[in-house]
Amino acid sequence: DAKTTQPPSMDCAEGRAANLPCNHSTISGNEYVYWYRQIHSQGPQYIIHGLKNNETNEMASLIITEDRKSSTLILPHATLRDTAVYYCIVRPNFGNEKLTFGTGTRLTIIP
Amino acid sequence: SAVISQKPSRDICQRGTSLTIQCQVDSQVTMMFWYRQQPGQSLTLIATANQGSEATYESGFVIDKFPISRPNLTFSTLTVSNMSPEDSSIYLCSGRLGGDTQYFGPGTRLTVL
Repeated sequence: DAKTTQPPSMDCAEGRAANLPCNHSTISGNEYVYWYRQIHSQGPQYIIHGLKNNETNEMASLIITEDRKSSTLILPHATLRDTAVYYCIVRPNFGNEKLTFGTGTRLTIIP
Repeated sequence: SAVISQKPSRDICQRGTSLTIQCQVDSQVTMMFWYRQQPGQSLTLIATANQGSEATYESGFVIDKFPISRPNLTFSTLTVSNMSPEDSSIYLCSGRLGGDTQYFGPGTRLTVL
């Protein structure tokens, strides 16, 4: 019962911006959009999250459409170390709601 | 943020034995979770570790197979009991700060022979 849809894989050239899309057409008003990534053989790493405004931190930018039905994670200058599986997850930011992982997007940065 | 460590980082075990995985968080977290990641798969939530009370298990996971303890706000253990080769997976501990961001440990890679 995944609430998000992501492409299974993407390639991006090193140094270019990587734009990872996510569809969450059934998102509720109280649900945030979270992004995590998992580099091979490591635990998932938190990247960024947002509700309805665009967000930016030292790792990435998150662009959420006005209707909140989709979002894009942007890695502005991709490096080889950004090769990983990226997970887009929606979850209310309160209570005991669980973080449920889908299958994610396998991003490969090409030298 | 929270830094989470797990011990052991990996182990190879014999069928029928049990392994206890420890999870330590460097700050007090409101919630702790245990996930399993089978080879080539995404993460699956096993249970929520509740401080001072029984863990809350997800469908398909039972306490007899995966007993969990959480004696305080920074520590939890997961035991994989009576192991079989199907239990070979990465087991991940996770902690949530307030109602907000959730952080993950590096995982314990378990191989059952």
